[in-house]
Amino acid sequence: AQSVAQPEDQVNVAEGNPLTVKCTYSVSGNPYLFWYVQYPNRGLQFLLKYITGDNLVKGSYGFEAEFNKSQTSFHLKKPSALVSDSALYFCAVRRNYGQNFVFGPGTRLSVLP
Amino acid sequence: KAGVTQTPRYLIKTRGQQVTLSCSPISGHRSVSWYQQTPGQGLQFLFEYFSETQRNKGNFPGRFSGRQFSNSRSEMNVSTLELGDSALYLCASVARGITDTQYFGPGTRLTVL
Repeated sequence: AQSVAQPEDQVNVAEGNPLTVKCTYSVSGNPYLFWYVQYPNRGLQFLLKYITGDNLVKGSYGFEAEFNKSQTSFHLKKPSALVSDSALYFCAVRRNYGQNFVFGPGTRLSVLP
Repeated sequence: KAGVTQTPRYLIKTRGQQVTLSCSPISGHRSVSWYQQTPGQGLQFLFEYFSETQRNKGNFPGRFSGRQFSNSRSEMNVSTLELGDSALYLCASVARGITDTQYFGPGTRLTVL
């Protein structure tokens, strides 16, 4: 069975500092990994995905994520956080065609001015 | 391209009533998934439809049902509403391929009184 863990419910970071939101997954075979962001009372917005190739994936709004197969992780990063990055972040995995996406519980990011 | 649209955006019902929510996927997308989001349970998968057939189903009671039409539009129905059904219901669509991104609509906020 597929599963996704986001070990931190809440991450606080000061504006201008680097941020990391952690994600680990459990799936057999090759995973397809995704990050989404959700602002209050909105749907989820796609940030980036890892399919294959370079382990460092760049996405929207200056975010990037690093795929680490040995640690089964896909951490989301940004070199310099903005207050406007404050939101709920979800990691998701999909393994095979025909299987649904599995989402992590979400991590609330607060960027303090 | 227009994004995923959901109607209505807000809905207030009373216990015992039934409700139907609608989702129009991005043009050309053939897969539609539904999720329930609550503060306590996070993002929970309800079901996925592909080419008018239910392909996957989450762990929800039979009161929750859905369907997909030939134009890929989808509806979900909840019968005999309970207070615990109050949630944000999100619809997402995917083009076709296993590596394709899932795009979300803004959601329907259902409140059961």
